[in-house]
Amino acid sequence: NAGVTQTPKFQVLKTGQSMTLQCAQDMNHNSMYWYRQDPGMGLRLIYYSASEGTTDKGEVPNGYNVSRLNKREFSLRLESAAPSQTSVYFCASSRDSASGANVLTFGAGSRLTVL
Amino acid sequence: GENVEQHPSTLSVQEGDSAVIKCTYSDSASNYFPWYKQELGKRPQLIIDIRSNVGEKKDQRIAVTLNKTAKHFSLHITETQPEDSAVYFCAASLGNTPLVFGKGTRLSVIA
Repeated sequence: NAGVTQTPKFQVLKTGQSMTLQCAQDMNHNSMYWYRQDPGMGLRLIYYSASEGTTDKGEVPNGYNVSRLNKREFSLRLESAAPSQTSVYFCASSRDSASGANVLTFGAGSRLTVL
Repeated sequence: GENVEQHPSTLSVQEGDSAVIKCTYSDSASNYFPWYKQELGKRPQLIIDIRSNVGEKKDQRIAVTLNKTAKHFSLHITETQPEDSAVYFCAASLGNTPLVFGKGTRLSVIA
């Protein structure tokens, strides 16, 4: 039982390059999330998917796109990377966002540097 | 939308002392308040949570209190140990909305 797995763990990009962060969970969770973590800024929500087939913007969606490929997988794409997107990205999942108790299980994080 | 403020941003305590971290939230309809702990280089993990119909919850050395009238909740850690050193995040949410996190508190327990 791996929980939430995200890849890659580390990535260095040049400004303007594109890349996709992959996330998969094996807990049969309905909801999945992408957060970014910057020093002194806490965890900020980029996009989330309350259930398979739906996606919604979070607090900081600009410059990102997401795809809920199936119930297990939720990817985050940077179409044209910018230095401001240098951050640690966390994928997370929860059983059911409608239950009123969004207990999140996080992945190990992906450290992205944009030069 | 919901806004969560967390204080202090850093906290140093002597081993064995207590630590208190406070959070305020803006949306009076929020009903779920978890706390996450993130050790250096690791992922955040839930340590305790409380719902709006409960005023206090304890789990061994940690406790969370909630004051709905004042819209604030606090994490209390008693008899701190070096392994309590980490960044702690509070969060709030309403029903089926995603969690909104505070900016975190870096707790250092000095042996």
